[in-house]
Amino acid sequence: AQTVTQSQPEMSVQEAETVTLSCTYDTSESDYYLFWYKQPPSRQMILVIRQEAYKQQNATENRFSVNFQKAAKSFSLKISDSQLGDAAMYFCAYRSRYGNKLVFGAGTILRVKS
Amino acid sequence: DSGVTQTPKHLITATGQRVTLRCSPRSGDLSVYWYQQSLDQGLQFLIQYYNGEERAKGNILERFSAQQFPDLHSELNLSSLELGDSALYFCASSVELAGGPEQFFGPGTRLTVL
Repeated sequence: AQTVTQSQPEMSVQEAETVTLSCTYDTSESDYYLFWYKQPPSRQMILVIRQEAYKQQNATENRFSVNFQKAAKSFSLKISDSQLGDAAMYFCAYRSRYGNKLVFGAGTILRVKS
Repeated sequence: DSGVTQTPKHLITATGQRVTLRCSPRSGDLSVYWYQQSLDQGLQFLIQYYNGEERAKGNILERFSAQQFPDLHSELNLSSLELGDSALYFCASSVELAGGPEQFFGPGTRLTVL
């Protein structure tokens, strides 16, 4: 079974600075998707970014980018120019390419200081 | 707004009772997924329906059941409720049975069991 580990329960960043959230996963599959979801205080699950394992190029979405290291089974999220609105719980998630369910990590609470 | 709707937003009930949570997927989506977010278990997959049929099961208790109706909306039934069932229950939807890049999450139903 696949597992996702987020080893940082909480992180803090100063507004306008850069922060990196860590995620590792365990799988025997070679083809899969990885995701970062943001959950603000409203509790809505918002997709931040996704990475397809067969693509070597790291995904980017505006201020959000990932560092995908397939051999190391590592998938970190970098947030540049942090904003107060980035404060939230961030979940790393895994899904088999031809599977259905999402497997989530425990989450990292990100606090942004002004 | 993801296009996935869930009702009710909040539900407060007593131990031993039964409740029904409702989900309407995005227009055109055939797959519906149910996830539970609790302090103890984190975010975990419960069950998936595709076009009216159950297609995948996760850590769903025998006291819980679900179904998907011909109009594609889904209901999650929780019975003999226990204090530990208090959680945020998410519904998500996607077009495909499996694979595909993304599941879209509803706003969740907050269940409190007293």
